[in-house]
Amino acid sequence: AQSVTQPDIHITVSEGASLELRCNYSYGATPYLFWYVQSPGQGLQLLLKYFSGDTLVQGIKGFEAEFKRSQSSFNLRKPSVHWSDAAEYFCAVGAYYGGSQGNLIFGKGTKLSVKP
Amino acid sequence: NAGVTQTPKFRVLKTGQSMTLLCAQDMNHEYMYWYRQDPGMGLRLIHYSVGEGTTAKGEVPDGYNVSRLKKQNFLLGLESAAPSQTSVYFCASSYRKGAGVGQETQYFGPGTRLLVL
Repeated sequence: AQSVTQPDIHITVSEGASLELRCNYSYGATPYLFWYVQSPGQGLQLLLKYFSGDTLVQGIKGFEAEFKRSQSSFNLRKPSVHWSDAAEYFCAVGAYYGGSQGNLIFGKGTKLSVKP
Repeated sequence: NAGVTQTPKFRVLKTGQSMTLLCAQDMNHEYMYWYRQDPGMGLRLIHYSVGEGTTAKGEVPDGYNVSRLKKQNFLLGLESAAPSQTSVYFCASSYRKGAGVGQETQYFGPGTRLLVL
């Protein structure tokens, strides 16, 4: 069955430090991978997505993610974190659901706190 | 262009009461989805729709019903609310691409916070 694992429930980094959020997926075929961000009290906003091609994808707000098929991973990175990046981050894989249609399977999320 | 909107933003229900959550999108998307979000659980798919007049069950459909009478609207109903349905509900929509095999970027509404006492 398709699944997404985000091993870190909560991460705290200092402002200006680099960030890496981990995501591992389980899917039999080539996955379609997404990272979403949710600010407190808000809906989810797409940061970036991987469908095919270059395994390093750039997103909004200075985020990037690298697809590594051998490790079944799609980790999210940012070289320098800003206080406004404090939010919850969700990794998702697009997969079959119900046998015919595509849907998203979400990880349980990683909450990011930023220290001044 | 408002994107995806949800009504109401917040609601308190008593056990056994019924209500309908409304989702509307103005992007002419084919697909629409209802999720619930609970602490430590991420988002779980309740029901989804691949077009007007069609609906299908997701991961956690029990206790909910849906309807898609118009392409732009997707309604989520609770016939007899239970405390276990206390959650934040998100609606999303997406284009249909090819076979629709999870390629679509989903656009989310702001959420409806529901408390069942």
